[in-house]
Amino acid sequence: EVHLVESGGGLVRAGGSLRLSCAASGFTFSTYSMNWVRQAPGKGLEWVSSVSRSSDYIYYASSMKGRFTISRDNAKNSLYLQMNSLRAEDTAVYYCARDRGGIVGATYAFDIWGQGTMVTVSS
Amino acid sequence: QSALTQPASVSGSPGQSITISCTGTSSDVGGYDYVSWYQQYPGKAPRLMIYDVNSRPSGVSNRFSGSRSGNTASLTISGLQAEDEADYYCCSYTSSSPSLFGTGTKVTVL
Repeated sequence: EVHLVESGGGLVRAGGSLRLSCAASGFTFSTYSMNWVRQAPGKGLEWVSSVSRSSDYIYYASSMKGRFTISRDNAKNSLYLQMNSLRAEDTAVYYCARDRGGIVGATYAFDIWGQGTMVTVSS
Repeated sequence: QSALTQPASVSGSPGQSITISCTGTSSDVGGYDYVSWYQQYPGKAPRLMIYDVNSRPSGVSNRFSGSRSGNTASLTISGLQAEDEADYYCCSYTSSSPSLFGTGTKVTVL
């Protein structure tokens, strides 16, 4: 069965750092683009970042650029998000999500989601 | 970049059809065929319901359909059921960012 499991969330002070991980199983991880999407408490979904299959193409939402770094390790079937200079407004559930395109390439539709990991930034 | 615009809430009676709109610009919804829709229950992860404007993943009921006219995409739920009560989000590729979500719509089954 296809699974994504996030970890690494927690409570951190403003200005601090946190590294999120997403472990993939049940599919060939290296053939899919991957994404991070977040959701602040009581708010809507917000796309954070994406990375192509071989990490050739990496994109960030403008508010995260320069503070967040997405990476992946295909040998470990894992996706990461390094978050620095955290702000109170970064408080959210962070989901990793698979792009459904596979070897076709990114289709910008997310067909598999993890359960999310909560990040709380205290001011 | 501002979120795509969706109505905050839509409601309908069981068996009725409802339509949720998602309004953007020619730089996102109107310019690319990468519009998707997601269903989300409280405390749960989103679920893909529609991709590429009007395609349905396997396992999604054919009561859900997508369309687009100009810069506005729409999700129609026909034969509304109690289990359809959830939040729904659109998402589009844009000229400046791979993905931009809508503001979200709460669907209530009366």
